[in-house]
Amino acid sequence: AQSVSQHNHHVILSEAASLELGCNYSYGGTVNLFWYVQYPGQHLQLLLKYFSGDPLVKGIKGFEAEFIKSKFSFNLRKPSVQWSDTAEYFCAVYGNNRLAFGKGNQVVVIP
Amino acid sequence: EAGVVQSPRYKIIEKKQPVAFWCNPISGHNTLYWYLQNLGQGPELLIRYENEEAVDDSQLPKDRFSAERLKGVDSTLKIQPAELGDSAVYLCASAQGSVNEQFFGPGTRLTVL
Repeated sequence: AQSVSQHNHHVILSEAASLELGCNYSYGGTVNLFWYVQYPGQHLQLLLKYFSGDPLVKGIKGFEAEFIKSKFSFNLRKPSVQWSDTAEYFCAVYGNNRLAFGKGNQVVVIP
Repeated sequence: EAGVVQSPRYKIIEKKQPVAFWCNPISGHNTLYWYLQNLGQGPELLIRYENEEAVDDSQLPKDRFSAERLKGVDSTLKIQPAELGDSAVYLCASAQGSVNEQFFGPGTRLTVL
């Protein structure tokens, strides 16, 4: 079964700082990769996804992620965060007809 | 377009009581999922439906949990009897097909006392 590792569960940074969240997965087959975000009081929503093609994918709100197959990684980045980026971020991998989530990163952006 | 609807949003019960959660997926979405999310964890799949058929229920604790999706639209997840360890958020999601983006509902936060 596939699994997902997210490190640095709690991240605190100031506005305009750059953000990078690591995601490593374990799965031997073809994977589809996702980042979901949950803003305070809201439901999970898709930030971006990778199925195939260009390994650098762009999502909503200025986020991007890079799929590096050799490293089994799908790290999320944003060059300059805003206070409104305060949220919990989940990496997920689809394989074996199942979506497996990591434990999430709680990100707090200080104005 | 309406999103995934879940009710109730919050539920507090005493242990050994039954509880049920309801989910109405996005119109046209044939795949429906129930997830369990414990505090500080990511969602974990409980069951997946393709239309009215439960195609993956291997993670569902069948001694106390049950689910149904009559007519392949809305779905109900039941726990009977509830235990203290069942306190968590129960999420419903739907998708067109199984690989595509899953759309999540707001969840039901269950507290078992």
